[in-house]
Amino acid sequence: GENVEQHPSTLSVQEGDSAVIKCTYSDSASNYFPWYKQELGKRPQLIIDIRSNVGEKKDQRIAVTLNKTAKHFSLHITETQPEDSAVYFCAAVYDKLIFGAGTRLAVHP
Amino acid sequence: SQTIHQWPATLVQPVGSPLSLECTVEGTSNPNLYWYRQAAGRGLQLLFYSVGIGQISSEVPQNLSASRPQDRQFILSSKKLLLSDSGFYLCAWSPALAGDEQYFGPGTRLTVT
Repeated sequence: GENVEQHPSTLSVQEGDSAVIKCTYSDSASNYFPWYKQELGKRPQLIIDIRSNVGEKKDQRIAVTLNKTAKHFSLHITETQPEDSAVYFCAAVYDKLIFGAGTRLAVHP
Repeated sequence: SQTIHQWPATLVQPVGSPLSLECTVEGTSNPNLYWYRQAAGRGLQLLFYSVGIGQISSEVPQNLSASRPQDRQFILSSKKLLLSDSGFYLCAWSPALAGDEQYFGPGTRLTVT
């Protein structure tokens, strides 16, 4: 079945640095790749997504890239701020959403 | 706009007691509905999903069950809770036709003692 691997599991950066989280998926038929941000004790929130007919998508300080050949996609956060600290989940959809295990991002002032 | 509700927000139950968690969605029709569980510090485990009234698919065999008595209502139940049932229970919905985006409810934090 579909499997999504996410790396790293934890990431610590200084405020203003960039952060990159990478995910790989197993089913080449996957066609939708969302990213969720979950702050402590709260629900996951959809922050950006990309479909398989697009290679890159940006929204202010966040961007997602997709490499269909290699079956991996990445989340890029530039100019990180303390409020970016959270757990980030990637996911891939074929017939349903399969989540990665999550990355705990800590941004230090 | 669409809104998803869950209740209760928190729940403390003894081992062996029954459970009923409710999820409702407003502002959309015929949504796909999902129940996830998240253990402390862990990822999201899909428990059940439903594409319509009375249609339930189970992802993980366990002592939980789900029902969808109305189009926008999804219920998670158990007859006898186990300690391992503790966790953060999240309901989610996605548009049936428009795409694959899933939106999560505020969650129920369940502690089984």
